[in-house]
Amino acid sequence: DIQMTQSPSSLSAFVGDRVTITCRASQSISNYLNWYQQKPGKAPTLLIYAASSLQSGVPSRFSGSGSGTDFTLTISTLQPEDFATYYCQQSYNTPRSFGQGTMVEIK
Amino acid sequence: QVQLVQSGAEVKKPGAPVKVSCKASGYTFTRYNMYWVRQAPGQGLEWMGIINPSGGSTTYAQKFQGRVTMTRDTSTSTVYMELSSLRSEDTAVYYCAREAILRGHNWFDPWGQGTLVTVSS
Repeated sequence: DIQMTQSPSSLSAFVGDRVTITCRASQSISNYLNWYQQKPGKAPTLLIYAASSLQSGVPSRFSGSGSGTDFTLTISTLQPEDFATYYCQQSYNTPRSFGQGTMVEIK
Repeated sequence: QVQLVQSGAEVKKPGAPVKVSCKASGYTFTRYNMYWVRQAPGQGLEWMGIINPSGGSTTYAQKFQGRVTMTRDTSTSTVYMELSSLRSEDTAVYYCAREAILRGHNWFDPWGQGTLVTVSS
């Protein structure tokens, strides 16, 4: 099974900050990598698919990059509604494993 | 619009089974695989398995092999996830999520609202 490791596990940031979250796969997954946002008590929602493609309706301050084993999710200018937990997920093979999540909190 | 509506919260005793439903609407039910993902309190997301609503074929995470059964009813556009021999560690929110596919890539979108299953004596 492919293991997905995110860092950091949590971070505190100010509104307006640039935030970067890293996700590493235990083996190469090409660009078969998705990012989700989850707010408390809600189901996850898709932000980025295929490592760098922005889902329709997602603000352009979100971006994704990477290929192979190393990936990043960047929020260019953090907004109040962006405080949430973010998960990466590989779609290279089954089981479709997730990272452990990164909680973004208000500083 | 595409929508997944799950059944309501359940409280079960250890050793009992639970069956969660997920009713799909807004698209052709048999064209897209459906996944089940669970989330224990305060924890991350855990992939449980996938069902192909067209033929009913399934693939389960090894962790749940022998305890989970995913089925579908094409007449009502509903998928089901049954987990047997429940233990306290199975207390979690269970989500269904439809597979979306584009140019060989796939992801989960949309998700159901989640069903809380509490296992307690």
